[in-house]
Amino acid sequence: ETGVTQTPRHLVMGMTNKKSLKCEQHLGHNAMYWYKQSAKKPLELMFVYSLEERVENNSVPSRFSPECPNSSHLFLHLHTLQPEDSALYLCASSQETGPYEQYFGPGTRLTVT
Amino acid sequence: GENVEQHPSTLSVQEGDSAVIKCTYSDSASNYFPWYKQELGKGPQLIIDIRSNVGEKKDQRIAVTLNKTAKHFSLHITETQPEDSAVYFCAAKEARYSSASKIIFGSGTRLSIRP
Repeated sequence: ETGVTQTPRHLVMGMTNKKSLKCEQHLGHNAMYWYKQSAKKPLELMFVYSLEERVENNSVPSRFSPECPNSSHLFLHLHTLQPEDSALYLCASSQETGPYEQYFGPGTRLTVT
Repeated sequence: GENVEQHPSTLSVQEGDSAVIKCTYSDSASNYFPWYKQELGKGPQLIIDIRSNVGEKKDQRIAVTLNKTAKHFSLHITETQPEDSAVYFCAAKEARYSSASKIIFGSGTRLSIRP
């Protein structure tokens, strides 16, 4: 609907697993973002990529590893997560040179057991 | 850095009445203020935004006002309908970065429309 797709929509993983979240935008944008949304906290910005370079890392633990191979795709690699990492992970995109609007994907609901 | 506070956290209004959600921000250099609506099982969707050179903006039943001096902005929904039930987030964009930069979100308001 928004031009930003995320897969999978739901993911259950154990603490020793390795998994990846995928985001793809079909809007021709050149900036992409990862956010974490948990029940008791507002949207937390995790990473920002602009023109395929990481420009922001908001003190995110190293068990989260982003990758942006091109301006249309963004990945979040997960390994040795903790139960408190269970949350909705949202991807967004925008245009670097403006306008500022960020368009969000539907999110991946992650449960760490 | 920027800090955005949003009130109330929950709001229940009778269908047809108006709803108002208020936010304050801390960084006077912030220059872009979007509002997002998030329905169950979906990501946030931009519904309206305002830039710092404008005091008010309206789109059908939705309006946003901005008071730069007081550093607060508000969302007004008139003639509320059941489909307006959702969580609403205000946000502010820091001015000193490019557009690929931090947008700081408020904590959200869960709006319920009573039939």
